[in-house]
Amino acid sequence: AQKITQTQPGMFVQEKEAVTLDCTYDTSDPSYGLFWYKQPSSGEMIFLIYQGSYDQQNATEGRYSLNFQKARKSANLVISASQLGDSAMYFCAMRSPSGSGNTPLVFGKGTRLSVIA
Amino acid sequence: EPEVTQTPSHQVTQMGQEVILRCVPISNHLYFYWYRQILGQKVEFLVSFYNNEISEKSEIFDDQFSVERPDGSNFTLKIRSTKLEDSAMYFCASRRGTGADYEQFFGPGTRLTVL
Repeated sequence: AQKITQTQPGMFVQEKEAVTLDCTYDTSDPSYGLFWYKQPSSGEMIFLIYQGSYDQQNATEGRYSLNFQKARKSANLVISASQLGDSAMYFCAMRSPSGSGNTPLVFGKGTRLSVIA
Repeated sequence: EPEVTQTPSHQVTQMGQEVILRCVPISNHLYFYWYRQILGQKVEFLVSFYNNEISEKSEIFDDQFSVERPDGSNFTLKIRSTKLEDSAMYFCASRRGTGADYEQFFGPGTRLTVL
């Protein structure tokens, strides 16, 4: 069974500093995708970044980068130069394209990030 | 930019009543999903839908739940007889294709409150 673990229920970071949000995963499927979503207090789910299991390079999207360590089964999100607007809940998720081919995302419990001025 | 829309944004209902949550996925997407998030908890998969039929469903998606794509644009989730524990945020999502690298686009959610 697939599983995502986020061990940090809450994190604080000073504005303009970098922060790492941890995510470990478990799957027996060799082909999978890892995703990070941001959920602000308004409730919507905002896609941030994607990493494929066969990607050679770590994914980057603006201030977001993914520290992908396949052997350790970790996919940590790094946010550089934190802004007050980054305060939100962050969810790590995974999908393996097995079964029906329409396999859903499996989410972790999330990490609440608070950016301090 | 195209987006997934959901209506209503908030639904309040009495226990035992039927509710229908509506979603309009992105127009060229082929795969549709419903997830729910009980307040303060993680997002949980309910059901996936492709080619006018259910692809996968979770244990949560019991006989009280049903999905439909009645007119080629709307994608609905029906709860026949709501329970208190159905109170949650319900997210619709859509995806263009298969493969691990296609992201799912989420709608803004419908907050369901069962009294």
